[in-house]
Amino acid sequence: EDQVTQSPEALRLQEGESSSLNCSYTVSGLRGLFWYRQDPGKGPEFLFTLYSAGEEKEKERLKATLTKKESFLHITAPKPEDSATYLCAVRENTGNQFYFGTGTSLTVIP
Amino acid sequence: SAVISQKPSRDICQRGTSLTIQCQVDSQVTMMFWYRQQPGQSLTLIATANQGSEATYESGFVIDKFPISRPNLTFSTLTVSNMSPEDSSIYLCSASLTVNTEAFFGQGTRLTVV
Repeated sequence: EDQVTQSPEALRLQEGESSSLNCSYTVSGLRGLFWYRQDPGKGPEFLFTLYSAGEEKEKERLKATLTKKESFLHITAPKPEDSATYLCAVRENTGNQFYFGTGTSLTVIP
Repeated sequence: SAVISQKPSRDICQRGTSLTIQCQVDSQVTMMFWYRQQPGQSLTLIATANQGSEATYESGFVIDKFPISRPNLTFSTLTVSNMSPEDSSIYLCSASLTVNTEAFFGQGTRLTVV
């Protein structure tokens, strides 16, 4: 059973068109939920950590939120340089590894 | 945060040979991980590198094929042994300062087996 599911798989936005990416998870106890950005040919770049439901983190045009079953990455007025694949990962209380979703490929069109 | 240096960044290898990938972290970390990423796909965990003991491998990955060393808290190596074209992929090193914090990644090693 998949522990982390991301949607949509791909998203095309016009510059300035706000939207949200979803990450739903099924773990028995959440130690942390993590958002990453990955550009082609590079390793994932850390964005945010969320630890408990209700928590929110912001960085420039990005805002991450967390509930008991899912997280959203809100992108406000995106720019072409926001184009990348966004990955979500969770870490359980019972283990040390990270479980990654399959990612959302975001394209922002000028 | 931690800065991770991984080398080589890319290599083209003959089938049947082995390649060792090195991962150096600029600070002492608790956890180190090795991932494989096929083009356009997400990350698949190969193993957790344990300092001073044998690595913990995920289902589908075995020590004979992917031996891992971690002699100290800042360095690890992954060897891809007896390579076949199916081993062509991007291999990523990752490290986490504590069991509660985020993981940081190296730039990856793009391996092509011919």
